[in-house]
Amino acid sequence: DQQVKQNSPSLSVQEGRISILNCDYTNSMFDYFLWYKKYPAEGPTFLISISSIKDKNEDGRFTVFLNKSAKHLSLHIVPSQPGDSAVYFCAARSVSGGSNYKLTFGKGTLLTVNP
Amino acid sequence: DTAVSQTPKYLVTQMGNDKSIKCEQNLGHDTMYWYKQDSKKFLKIMFSYNNKELIINETVPNRFSPKSPDKAHLNLHINSLELGDSAVYFCASSQSGATIYFGEGSWLTVV
Repeated sequence: DQQVKQNSPSLSVQEGRISILNCDYTNSMFDYFLWYKKYPAEGPTFLISISSIKDKNEDGRFTVFLNKSAKHLSLHIVPSQPGDSAVYFCAARSVSGGSNYKLTFGKGTLLTVNP
Repeated sequence: DTAVSQTPKYLVTQMGNDKSIKCEQNLGHDTMYWYKQDSKKFLKIMFSYNNKELIINETVPNRFSPKSPDKAHLNLHINSLELGDSAVYFCASSQSGATIYFGEGSWLTVV
């Protein structure tokens, strides 16, 4: 049962253009959403997050949008740079008994930014 | 300084062996985790420890036993390794459920 879905396994974008990565979720109890970036042979690194009470969060070139009614979030990268080429994971946080938080991850989207 | 460090990074071992992966975090976080990324690339939580106490155990076989000697360490011991245990294991930490920070991963191959 996949509660967090990233339906696009890969995305290719030209340098300088916008990259849009999408994520859908099914569990309405998720209270926090995060995007992680992962290079080969490295661990995921935190990129940006958004609380379920907000609809937008911006940090430099990265903006995350949340549409709660559609259970959909997206990550916008503009302008895209070759160094952004990586796998991007969407993650959603839930509470498991009291204050025990856990993240549920999507399968990831491989972004390739072409020079 | 690496915030979450785990060793070894690569491990190749035979079926039936017992092996351990060590993890240390220097962020002062109170919660540590083990995640597994399998061949289908899903990242799934295995265990979570808060202040040395096990708080999440996601139906992982008994052959996997985490041990937290103190708040900064969470080691993973695996008994009687099977082929299906081949995966990347990520250690992570957070402060009270805030943003989770991951280690670089340990690539385990069972032959």
